Amino acid sequence: NAGVTQTPKFRVLKTGQSMTLLCAQDMNHEYMYWYRQDPGMGLRLIHYSVGEGTTAKGEVPDGYNVSRLKKQNFLLGLESAAPSQTSVYFCASTTPRVYGYTFGSGTRLTVV
Amino acid sequence: AQTVTQSQPEMSVQEAETVTLSCTYDTSESDYYLFWYKQPPSRQMILVIRQEAYKQQNATENRFSVNFQKAAKSFSLKISDSQLGDAAMYFCAYRVPNFGNEKLTFGTGTRLTIIP
Repeated sequence: NAGVTQTPKFRVLKTGQSMTLLCAQDMNHEYMYWYRQDPGMGLRLIHYSVGEGTTAKGEVPDGYNVSRLKKQNFLLGLESAAPSQTSVYFCASTTPRVYGYTFGSGTRLTVV
Repeated sequence: AQTVTQSQPEMSVQEAETVTLSCTYDTSESDYYLFWYKQPPSRQMILVIRQEAYKQQNATENRFSVNFQKAAKSFSLKISDSQLGDAAMYFCAYRVPNFGNEKLTFGTGTRLTIIP
């Protein structure tokens, strides 16, 4: 099915460990985004990309890195996980001037 | 900076009744889109309804309608004939259609409970 696929769906990390979240879309969308969702705070933008090879910081970028080597993939990395990064992470994609975003199903990350 | 405010963290409504969720936003842009997203326990983000700022007519989608007041920067969602499946978190969101990034800015959400 066409859409946005996030892997993994769940993960538990120990403080200081690293990991990469993968987002893949098959709709040929130019723009891709990583958001985190925390209780009472809505979804906040971490990083985004407007095209292959380009990335930019969002509202809460500290502690995260991203890469977009291929148009269909957007990777979110945590180099040294901290308990404050316990959250649900969403990837989304869209095309300029098209109304809707397509969201992935989210990744629940717990850092202990 | 654009901000979106949802002042009702929780709302409840009797099944089959009508409920209105509030949203206000702050922007200096004249061209923008507004959205309501629904997030059920499955975590999936589902687009409920959208409104283009240049349109004066309020958007409707079946039982869902909005009251868009551009001058007041208000964008409320009305759900008529509430159903058990409407129980979810609802997020108001804003987007500027420029070629820069077109990011979505979200409010903090309203959790809607449907009482049988």
